[in-house]
Amino acid sequence: GQNIDQPTEMTATEGAIVQINCTYQTSGFNGLFWYQQHAGEAPTFLSYNVLDGLEEKGRFSSFLSRSKGYSYLLLKELQMKDSASYLCAVRDSSGSARQLTFGSGTQLTVLP
Amino acid sequence: GAGVSQSPSNKVTEKGKDVELRCDPISGHTALYWYRQSLGQGLEFLIYFQGNSAPDKSGLPSDRFSAERTGGSVSTLTIQRTQQEDSAVYLCASSSSGGAFDTQYFGPGTRLTVL
Repeated sequence: GQNIDQPTEMTATEGAIVQINCTYQTSGFNGLFWYQQHAGEAPTFLSYNVLDGLEEKGRFSSFLSRSKGYSYLLLKELQMKDSASYLCAVRDSSGSARQLTFGSGTQLTVLP
Repeated sequence: GAGVSQSPSNKVTEKGKDVELRCDPISGHTALYWYRQSLGQGLEFLIYFQGNSAPDKSGLPSDRFSAERTGGSVSTLTIQRTQQEDSAVYLCASSSSGGAFDTQYFGPGTRLTVL
């Protein structure tokens, strides 16, 4: 089975930097995904890590340490529109498993 | 190009009734997934289709839930004899091949309310 933990809520100020952490325990590992979900909308893909290290994509970066079962999503130059839930998800490598196991999400509120 | 579409966007039903939820994946995507998102909870995997292979039904919570995918494209999730605990947003996602490194793209979801 898999267990994914991330903080429930975070608050940050417009223009600042925020780091959302995710820890996971899994019997197999085939990648970690971050999604953004605005209230009432579908999750949208942000980033994917399968190897250790940092993946940068504009204002968003994602880091992975497989040995520590740890990832973070870094958001720079925060904007009001970044207020959303951020979902950490892990893909299992066992058998035919292709589904993602999601954490409960971190609700980020960006204040002016 | 068009993304994943789902219908209806909202469904209100009475306890004990059957409901059908529809998903149209991105054209050309062979893998299709159903998830459920209850209030304040993470997404919960339900079922996975890949091409003509037998679906992975390991996430279906009970035998009241079933899904089919006709012609390798459109999928229907059916919930029989709905219960109040079935109330949730049902999300469909598709990916190009279902490979280990595939990105899943989600539809807008169907919000199901069982009264």
